[in-house]
Amino acid sequence: EPEVTQTPSHQVTQMGQEVILRCVPISNHLYFYWYRQILGQKVEFLVSFYNNEISEKSEIFDDQFSVERPDGSNFTLKIRSTKLEDSAMYFCASSSLTGSYEQYFGPGTRLTVT
Amino acid sequence: GENVEQHPSTLSVQEGDSAVIKCTYSDSASNYFPWYKQELGKRPQLIIDIRSNVGEKKDQRIAVTLNKTAKHFSLHITETQPEDSAVYFCAASNDYKLSFGAGTTVTVRA
Repeated sequence: EPEVTQTPSHQVTQMGQEVILRCVPISNHLYFYWYRQILGQKVEFLVSFYNNEISEKSEIFDDQFSVERPDGSNFTLKIRSTKLEDSAMYFCASSSLTGSYEQYFGPGTRLTVT
Repeated sequence: GENVEQHPSTLSVQEGDSAVIKCTYSDSASNYFPWYKQELGKRPQLIIDIRSNVGEKKDQRIAVTLNKTAKHFSLHITETQPEDSAVYFCAASNDYKLSFGAGTTVTVRA
């Protein structure tokens, strides 16, 4: 069964550094999402992406964040200047149709900002 | 925006008993309500979902009910087993994003 994959599984970075988190969505999916989960808390929506543009973003997704689909398979989340509070698990998800249909989550990237 | 409340935050049940988790949502435009199971350190896994034109859906030992008028939906797990122990999240969707509840930690006692 196809799955969403993410790399790396764990990323440690220093405050102020840029990080890029990578995702490979399920191949025939058209909608892509990033969520984050701070340890012990609920999953929070960051951004949705369709047809090479952002469909919706949350208040968390400020100017420090950007997303890109650089080729036909990868979907990336970039954090330009990381802060301590960016430490969280970041999940990529994809769905074949608009969000009324199933979103499948990747295994996550644990980002630790020191 | 959408606000999803989930109760209880923790639930301990004896193996074989039923578990019920309840969620309410605020946005009447929400039309899709999935439930995810998350084991420690792993990805959320979709276990069942319901759309706004359906009142109830069942899949083996799990069932979900939706009351659109009251804006609440519930997850029912019957004949619980130790492998049902996990964190369960409800969510509501308005087409582009999932708004999650805070999660319920379910512990099934052998």
